[in-house]
Amino acid sequence: EAGVAQSPRYKIIEKRQSVAFWCNPISGHATLYWYQQILGQGPKLLIQFQNNGVVDDSQLPKDRFSAERLKGVDSTLKIQPAKLEDSAVYLCASSLEGASGTQYFGPGTRLLVL
Amino acid sequence: AQSVAQPEDQVNVAEGNPLTVKCTYSVSGNPYLFWYVQYPNRGLQFLLKYITGDNLVKGSYGFEAEFNKSQTSFHLKKPSALVSDSALYFCAVRDTNAGKSTFGDGTTLTVKP
Repeated sequence: EAGVAQSPRYKIIEKRQSVAFWCNPISGHATLYWYQQILGQGPKLLIQFQNNGVVDDSQLPKDRFSAERLKGVDSTLKIQPAKLEDSAVYLCASSLEGASGTQYFGPGTRLLVL
Repeated sequence: AQSVAQPEDQVNVAEGNPLTVKCTYSVSGNPYLFWYVQYPNRGLQFLLKYITGDNLVKGSYGFEAEFNKSQTSFHLKKPSALVSDSALYFCAVRDTNAGKSTFGDGTTLTVKP
């Protein structure tokens, strides 16, 4: 079974530039998550999708971050404009429907904002 | 608001000795509890979870965890540590009402030969 795919793996940009990350979840997984993991901290949920609808985006900085999951499959997370404090690893995960579902994580995208 | 605490940033054990990585949580309803492991330059991997039933949960690679409702804890254990267990371990909690997942800040486990 193929795992969660993410691209790119690494990205370096200057502050005020824009960047986009892509995620393809495990086939059949209805729930998709985007997390931000800052060095030395645990993953922080940015947004959670159930199919193509948003379940939780309470911690998403909506003035600069946006995410979409068209057709309920793959998803894109965008940052525009980026700030220095956005430097982090962005993790995508997917799970079967339900709160007890195990989350399966992709390898992450490491973002460095200069 | 729900929260997870992993009180030890670092745990060091000798190979062959038992290990414990501590986790306590706070959630308004009943919890779903998870342990994940992260190896360098790799994504998080699922180890085990508590949903309901037996308080002692067994997972991958010989790990187990005990759910203690009165102490709101979910400590990760292994009877005999291996050098290859060295990694970063995360505890996570989720409210059974399908709320968001909250992760702890992780504990680095180092197993020395």
